[in-house]
Amino acid sequence: EVQLVESGGGLVQPGGSLRLSCAASGFTFSNYEMYWVRQAPGKGLEWVSYTSSGGSSIYYADSVKGRFTISRDNAKNSLYLQMNSLRAEDTAVYFCARGSSSSSIFRYYYLMDVWGQGTTLTVSS
Amino acid sequence: DIQMTQSPSSLSASVGDSVTISCRASQDISYYLNWYRQKPGKAPQLLIYAGSRLQSGVPSRFSGSGSGTDFTLTISSLQPDDFATYYCQQSYNTPPITFGQGTRLEIK
Repeated sequence: EVQLVESGGGLVQPGGSLRLSCAASGFTFSNYEMYWVRQAPGKGLEWVSYTSSGGSSIYYADSVKGRFTISRDNAKNSLYLQMNSLRAEDTAVYFCARGSSSSSIFRYYYLMDVWGQGTTLTVSS
Repeated sequence: DIQMTQSPSSLSASVGDSVTISCRASQDISYYLNWYRQKPGKAPQLLIYAGSRLQSGVPSRFSGSGSGTDFTLTISSLQPDDFATYYCQQSYNTPPITFGQGTRLEIK
């Protein structure tokens, strides 16, 4: 079964740091693009970050650029999001999501076809 | 950045009805448009990609159309599972990737 499981969420004070993890199983992780998407309480979806299958192409939303770092360990089938200088507005459920395989003709559509259940980050003093 | 505007923001319908949700891009995005359904408390689910292609395993009552700036998601014969929030997502000239604000579909 294809599965993504996030972990690492919690309560952090403003200015603090946290690292989220996403464990992948049931597919060849190293072949797939990956994303982080977040959803603030009662709000819509916001794309946070993207990494290509090999990690050579990485993008960030302007709202997190310079504070968040996406990375992946293909040997461990894991995706990470290092979050620094956290703000109250970063409070959200964070989802990891699978994109297209590197060989897919649809890889430029940046679709997200498998999602984890999400992990909750609360930034508050 | 490309802005995505969905309409309506919410709508009510009954089981068995057919509904259409619209998504408008602030500039031409060709077919770079995906649709998702999110049930309360759950992760989103990909329904349609590349404007009109049905994701594997998604029921055929879901269909997508449009190109350029105007897109629609049509759900025919609504089922209880379909009462959820729907999002469009553009990926033209990425980054950034942007989502519409969502359309909440409620039971009448």
